[in-house]
Amino acid sequence: DTAVSQTPKYLVTQMGNDKSIKCEQNLGHDTMYWYKQDSKKFLKIMFSYNNKELIINETVPNRFSPKSPDKAHLNLHINSLELGDSAVYFCASSQRFAGGYGYTFGSGTRLTVV
Amino acid sequence: AQTVTQSQPEMSVQEAETVTLSCTYDTSESNYYLFWYKQPPSRQMILVIRQEAYKQQNATENRFSVNFQKAAKSFSLKISDSQLGDTAMYFCAFNNAGNMLTFGGGTRLMVKP
Repeated sequence: DTAVSQTPKYLVTQMGNDKSIKCEQNLGHDTMYWYKQDSKKFLKIMFSYNNKELIINETVPNRFSPKSPDKAHLNLHINSLELGDSAVYFCASSQRFAGGYGYTFGSGTRLTVV
Repeated sequence: AQTVTQSQPEMSVQEAETVTLSCTYDTSESNYYLFWYKQPPSRQMILVIRQEAYKQQNATENRFSVNFQKAAKSFSLKISDSQLGDTAMYFCAFNNAGNMLTFGGGTRLMVKP
């Protein structure tokens, strides 16, 4: 049973398209995150939700919109995709937001915009 | 804002030997948490070890141990008896209790047979 599952694992799409990445965790964690890993492997936080409430919204183009229908799910929708959006997107969860809990990561979604 | 620096972009080690990966961080907080994550070629991010800043004792997990120097803001990872399966990117990360995880730029470790 996968603890944090992301779909799809790979996504190839054309510029200008709209796409979504889905994430689900079955750990009963309160907090979920989206991270972006660029081509140089640098990991940067994009969003965080705690019990369905947005608590972190870093400087991300507003073409990116997260949605959390319940605390087990955090989806990422991207409008008008650009070449620079190509990256690996990781979903993660932690037991709580505060308290230094480690994250459990999904296996990542490699997005390629052509 | 917190910053995390890994000064070694790449390292290599012979199988069965010991290697140490460096990490420094900058913060004005006194209570925080530090982590090392491993990312093998499979891309999965795996938690290796966690250290609480208020604990002086260095964390250990089997062949993995840390050298936590709070005054120097240094948090290095030592891998003993290196195995081929240890080949991966290693990321140091900082968590201010109540804040998100901030990652260093990573160190690519190659274990050679």
